[in-house]
Amino acid sequence: EVQLVESGGGLVQPGRSLKLSCVASGFTFSNYGMNWIRQAPGKGLEWVAYISSGSSYIYYAETVKGRFTISRDNAKNTLYLQMTSLRSEDTALYYCARGATVATWGQGVMVTVSS
Amino acid sequence: DIQMTQSPSLLSASVGDRVTLNCKASQNINKNLNWYQQKLGEAPKLLIYYTNNLQTGIPSRFSGSGSGTDYTLTISSLQPEDVATYFCFQYNSGPTFGAGTKLELK
Repeated sequence: EVQLVESGGGLVQPGRSLKLSCVASGFTFSNYGMNWIRQAPGKGLEWVAYISSGSSYIYYAETVKGRFTISRDNAKNTLYLQMTSLRSEDTALYYCARGATVATWGQGVMVTVSS
Repeated sequence: DIQMTQSPSLLSASVGDRVTLNCKASQNINKNLNWYQQKLGEAPKLLIYYTNNLQTGIPSRFSGSGSGTDYTLTISSLQPEDVATYFCFQYNSGPTFGAGTKLELK
């Protein structure tokens, strides 16, 4: 069974940093591009970042470019999102999702940016 | 960026109704569109990929169609368990989601 399990969320002050992780299982992680997608409370979905299977191609939404860094460790079957200079508008449930076509999602991890 | 406009934003329908949800792209997305269902407190679930392909395990009452800029998700006979918010998603370039259609029972 394909599983994606996010972790690393929590309450953080504006301007601080946080690093999310997503551990994958049930498939060959190194064969798939991966995404981070977020959903602010009561709001819609926003694609955040994508990384190709071998990390050659990386793309970001304009709202996070320069502040967030997506990366992966294929030996550990793990996807990461390093978030810096966090703002209140970054408060959201962050999902990792498999593939360029975003077929499979984790359950999400909450990030709250507040003083 | 490609903008995705979903309509209606709220839809009330009865059990057994045929329901149509719409998604319009601001430019041609070459059928690179998925539909997701999100129930309260749950992660989104893929229903339809590449415009009209039913994801494994999804009931056949769900179907998708469209081309160019206009896409549709149809539920042929609405069931109580279909109450959810539905999102379209284009991955043709600079991936973007629609704002969603909330489907409720009348």
